[in-house]
Amino acid sequence: GQNIDQPTEMTATEGAIVQINCTYQTSGFNGLFWYQQHAGEAPTFLSYNVLDGLEEKGRFSSFLSRSKGYSYLLLKELQMKDSASYLCAVVRYSTLTFGKGTMLLVSP
Amino acid sequence: EAGVAQSPRYKIIEKRQSVAFWCNPISGHATLYWYQQILGQGPKLLIQFQNNGVVDDSQLPKDRFSAERLKGVDSTLKIQPAKLEDSAVYLCASRTGQSSGNTIYFGEGSWLTVV
Repeated sequence: GQNIDQPTEMTATEGAIVQINCTYQTSGFNGLFWYQQHAGEAPTFLSYNVLDGLEEKGRFSSFLSRSKGYSYLLLKELQMKDSASYLCAVVRYSTLTFGKGTMLLVSP
Repeated sequence: EAGVAQSPRYKIIEKRQSVAFWCNPISGHATLYWYQQILGQGPKLLIQFQNNGVVDDSQLPKDRFSAERLKGVDSTLKIQPAKLEDSAVYLCASRTGQSSGNTIYFGEGSWLTVV
């Protein structure tokens, strides 16, 4: 089976930087996705990591350490519209298993 | 490019009734998923298809849930009879193949309330 842990909630202020962590335990790891989900909407793709290291894409970056079973999503220059749930999803073969998500609240 | 289409968007039924959800994936996407997302939780995989074959249905409550993708394109998910705990969003998603790096695209979901 798979075990994926993320913090339930985080708060931050506009313009700040926030790091959302994800730890996982799985057999047969094939990659890790981060998705953003606004209330009442479908998840949308943010990033994909399969090798160790940092992937940067604009204000969002994602890091992976396969040996530690650890990833984080880094959000810079936070905006109010970044208030959403952030889902970590581990790929095992072709199946994605999601964590419970981290609700991020950005305040002015 | 059209996205993943789902219908109906919203459905309210009484417990013990039946309901069916329909999904049309992005054109050319061989892999199709049905996820159940209960409020405040992450999506939980119910079933995964590769073309018209089932890859994983280990978490599908087969006594009441069924799904099919007969022609390897669109898919239906049925619940019969529904229980109160089935109240959730049912998300359909698709990707081009089974390669781990292919992005999964989600539909807007079908919101089910069982009363």
